[in-house]
Amino acid sequence: DVKVTQSSRYLVKRTGEKVFLECVQDMDHENMFWYRQDPGLGLRLIYFSYDVKMKEKGDIPEGYSVSREKKERFSLILESASTNQTSMYLCASSPTGAYTGNTIYFGEGSWLTVV
Amino acid sequence: GEDVEQSLFLSVREGDSSVINCTYTDSSSTYLYWYKQEPGAGLQLLTYIFSNMDMKQDQRLTVLLNKKDKHLSLRIADTQTGDSAIYFCAETHDSSYKLIFGSGTRLLVRP
Repeated sequence: DVKVTQSSRYLVKRTGEKVFLECVQDMDHENMFWYRQDPGLGLRLIYFSYDVKMKEKGDIPEGYSVSREKKERFSLILESASTNQTSMYLCASSPTGAYTGNTIYFGEGSWLTVV
Repeated sequence: GEDVEQSLFLSVREGDSSVINCTYTDSSSTYLYWYKQEPGAGLQLLTYIFSNMDMKQDQRLTVLLNKKDKHLSLRIADTQTGDSAIYFCAETHDSSYKLIFGSGTRLLVRP
């Protein structure tokens, strides 16, 4: 079974802190994603990576950066956390060359509260 | 731009059928998906339909696609309390990596 693991399920951080959200997948997938989920807004894509050290901005990249130094690991970084970044963050992965929607696997989510 | 819309909430009685609706704007959508999110969990793919199909049935789930009206629905027969969750409609086109999600419909199944 594909496993996408988000190391932190629940975090509380202070405004201005640097925050790292880590995601690891065990299926050698090329593509990895970070989404943000907010009530009434669905999932919005923050960043996407299609290979090691490669990244593309999604729909809402402002205030975030990402790092993909190894194929299995994709990190989301909040350089200076703000209260409007309080949200649920979902990591996902999928293999390349396939229709994403039926091959994408999601982690269980990281609930971030910025106070 | 691309947009996917869903109603936010649906309540049904156990044993009844549930119908969750979704509309989308992208006429070049290739695949349309339904995902389920249980409390505290990530998203799980329930079913999907290719844009040249009108209907797909999978056990208790029936997906109907009206391409002319850009309307997608998910019918759950004999709804159970374990079906209580948030259901997301999503679409993509060609082999795009980008999934466009709706806002999610919270389904509450009353005993």
